[in-house]
Amino acid sequence: GAGVSQSPSNKVTEKGKDVELRCDPISGHTALYWYRQRLGQGLEFLIYFQGNSAPDKSGLPSDRFSAERTGESVSTLTIQRTQQEDSAVYLCASSQGVHRPAGYTFGSGTRLTVV
Amino acid sequence: DAKTTQPNSMESNEEEPVHLPCNHSTISGTDYIHWYRQLPSQGPEYVIHGLTSNVNNRMASLAIAEDRKSSTLILHRATLRDAAVYYCILSRVGGSQGNLIFGKGTKLSVKP
Repeated sequence: GAGVSQSPSNKVTEKGKDVELRCDPISGHTALYWYRQRLGQGLEFLIYFQGNSAPDKSGLPSDRFSAERTGESVSTLTIQRTQQEDSAVYLCASSQGVHRPAGYTFGSGTRLTVV
Repeated sequence: DAKTTQPNSMESNEEEPVHLPCNHSTISGTDYIHWYRQLPSQGPEYVIHGLTSNVNNRMASLAIAEDRKSSTLILHRATLRDAAVYYCILSRVGGSQGNLIFGKGTKLSVKP
């Protein structure tokens, strides 16, 4: 597609439920990134993929968070047993490569609210 | 990656130029300087990047100091739509860290 697509755009879930957030990167972009942004805060890096592999998982806040990418395309971020502190906008970005100064293109994000 | 320092906020008048400063005194020779901006309720948007020479594109200009320890993003004529948080970020080509680290940025307000 022309841009990075994220779905759903909004998600309200009950505490303790699992959620899956989806990101469709720009076609041909080999690198994909997930960030989290709490209300009024800056961007917090979660994880990135080069192809289908994730060399750096250190940003994931806890073992309740996991992510995968298949076919060097779609990525899903899964949060298990959601907590209220997981409420945030989850942003996905893609770029042509990791170790090049290529610009990131961000999606519009998924606003997650845990009630 | 090396750290950047930006003012928390700046104000500008519409249709006037804006100079957004960024200090990066520990920059290394292979670090690129990137600028992104985030409009309210949107994801960040790429603005410009450079290595050593000044850069111009349709959105802005990037002026890089000769010693590369600072840079300035220049919006030639601010519009109300330019009100956003502007992030100055360094990234190292071939470095071990594959992602861009966003700091707190500069919140730019534009007055009509």
